[in-house]
Amino acid sequence: QKEVEQNSGPLSVPEGAIASLNCTYSDRGSQSFFWYRQYSGKSPELIMSIYSNGDKEDGRFTAQLNKASQYVSLLIRDSQPSDSATYLCAVSGYSSASKIIFGSGTRLSIRP
Amino acid sequence: DAGVTQSPTHLIKTRGQQVTLRCSPKSGHDTVSWYQQALGQGPQFIFQYYEEEERQRGNFPDRFSGHQFPNYSSELNVNALLLGDSALYLCASSLPGYTEAFFGQGTRLTVV
Repeated sequence: QKEVEQNSGPLSVPEGAIASLNCTYSDRGSQSFFWYRQYSGKSPELIMSIYSNGDKEDGRFTAQLNKASQYVSLLIRDSQPSDSATYLCAVSGYSSASKIIFGSGTRLSIRP
Repeated sequence: DAGVTQSPTHLIKTRGQQVTLRCSPKSGHDTVSWYQQALGQGPQFIFQYYEEEERQRGNFPDRFSGHQFPNYSSELNVNALLLGDSALYLCASSLPGYTEAFFGQGTRLTVV
């Protein structure tokens, strides 16, 4: 079983709609959860961090965490063509000494 | 404020050769982690350096080694290169006590 699992996609969403990306993880001790965006040929860019159960909103992005279900999600509202990228879910422990484990990513395509 | 910087951006090496990749963390960051990202995969943790010591190591052979300098910059060395070492090598840095990691632009290594 992979430590962090994501659907590889591609996920195709019309422009202006809500894109929903999901991720599950296996280590119940995980404390820190991240979403990175990676454009083709570029490095990952941190877009959201979440540490406690519930929702966290930042602009058009909402991260949701459910530790009991070991489930993390990212919602992108009013999707734009510039949101087309691979989204990496990542989990870590409670301190900077903890390594970050990444999923394989979900490729998102926003169609005009 | 400069972000995480890596050099070189691209590199072509021959099987059996050795390579050194370099990373300068963001200002104020003291922890440096290295990742390998193969095409279509998420980043895989190689190792982490803190206070000039290797603090954690992922499932990579001893051919992969590193160093951290007093100014927190870091090097990744790979000996006896294999074709399978071809990948994007990413450096990430973190603030003291924080789990969030910020990536450099990466070094694309091609082994022929």
